[in-house]
Amino acid sequence: DPKIIQKPKYLVAVTGSEKILICEQYLGHNAMYWYRQSAKKPLEFMFSYSYQKLMDNQTASSRFQPQSSKKNHLDLQITALKPDDSATYFCASSQERTGGYAEQFFGPGTRLTVL
Amino acid sequence: GEQVEQRPPHLSVREGDSAVIICTYTDPNSYYFFWYKQEPGAGLQLLMKVFSSTEINEGQGFTVLLNKKDKQLSLNLTAAHPGDSAVYFCAVRSYGSSGNKLIFGIGTLLSVKP
Repeated sequence: DPKIIQKPKYLVAVTGSEKILICEQYLGHNAMYWYRQSAKKPLEFMFSYSYQKLMDNQTASSRFQPQSSKKNHLDLQITALKPDDSATYFCASSQERTGGYAEQFFGPGTRLTVL
Repeated sequence: GEQVEQRPPHLSVREGDSAVIICTYTDPNSYYFFWYKQEPGAGLQLLMKVFSSTEINEGQGFTVLLNKKDKQLSLNLTAAHPGDSAVYFCAVRSYGSSGNKLIFGIGTLLSVKP
């Protein structure tokens, strides 16, 4: 069974519209993340949440808003979509401990195309 | 900011050959290192994690070497087979990094031909 679910798998949107990318993890982890993979670029860190609180935001644009309604959910709302937002968006999670380390596990991604 | 250079971007080998992917990082506070494998249309699968200085970790058919002196991380696939064809990413996390972000290399597309 998939441990990190992302919905939808593919998404096509028109410029200026708004979309929500869904992420649910069933690993019991306390931290969740969003990364973006654009063509010919490395995976880029966007946000991290710990216990449903924003820890780090590396996204310059306020058009990207994470939403955590439950501790195992971290959705990503994107408003005023632009063609440059076209990318595959990956959700990840980890079990963080004080003074420790933790590997991040990734979902299958949502491939967003903005026309 | 932190950077991770990964090479080569493409690698084509014959079945049974070895394949080496190298990542070089810049942040001296980099402390945790990971290799991920991405098959077509799939998410990233964690292959190996390395935390100590100069360490060799062995997995199923591959070896990971971390050389902190040279700030270099390598993945060596021994006797590659077609099932190893995928994109491989190295990722680095700095000690005390805010939000636990990973910095990724650009990826290496490995093709293993029968």
